[in-house]
Amino acid sequence: SQQGEEDPQALSIQEGENATMNCSYKTSINNLQWYRQNSGRGLVHLILIRSNEREKHSGRLRVTLDTSKKSSSLLITASRAADTASYFCAYTGGFKTIFGAGTRLFVKA
Amino acid sequence: DAGVIQSPRHEVTEMGQEVTLRCKPISGHNSLFWYRQTMMRGLELLIYFNNNVPIDDSGMPEDRFSAKMPNASFSTLKIQPSEPRDSAVYFCASSYTGADYGYTFGSGTRLTVV
Repeated sequence: SQQGEEDPQALSIQEGENATMNCSYKTSINNLQWYRQNSGRGLVHLILIRSNEREKHSGRLRVTLDTSKKSSSLLITASRAADTASYFCAYTGGFKTIFGAGTRLFVKA
Repeated sequence: DAGVIQSPRHEVTEMGQEVTLRCKPISGHNSLFWYRQTMMRGLELLIYFNNNVPIDDSGMPEDRFSAKMPNASFSTLKIQPSEPRDSAVYFCASSYTGADYGYTFGSGTRLTVV
């Protein structure tokens, strides 16, 4: 399989709560990216973290990377109904970018 | 920029027919990728072009699939003959090598082979 591993597979929270998604990978990487996909649409790039970085922020998003554990997490703070989507991690080693299976996030208003 | 443009958005075809999917990457991007997305297998990289040259096509499922990039602004993915198991959403994405902003995806082509 080309996929990385993400958990949980699905997450349902109330508006205003924080959402945390995790990603694990198997190879050495150059960088790791997170994408969002709304139903029936293409993927939208959210944030990229390089292998020598440990944490990165962008608005309500916080990404951490632990290369020793080959894992990353995406935290969405103060979630909104509009954050409802699937979220994918994607890790790049060499020129190949491999996508995880995704976490389906549902934010209830 | 209008982003990555894919056509058609939807394609329904009969088994055995030839299907051609088209992609126009973002101007200035030098890398282009074709991905296939299904519920069972998720997002799979089919082929990667850099500066119009195919670098890795190891993800192309079989000889029925072929891809070309005749110039920096156009790429095609062809399936001939098509089979029902090819039904999926096919995405094209582009990027600039080494950039920190990830890939830009098109809206995809939803292919249904009946």
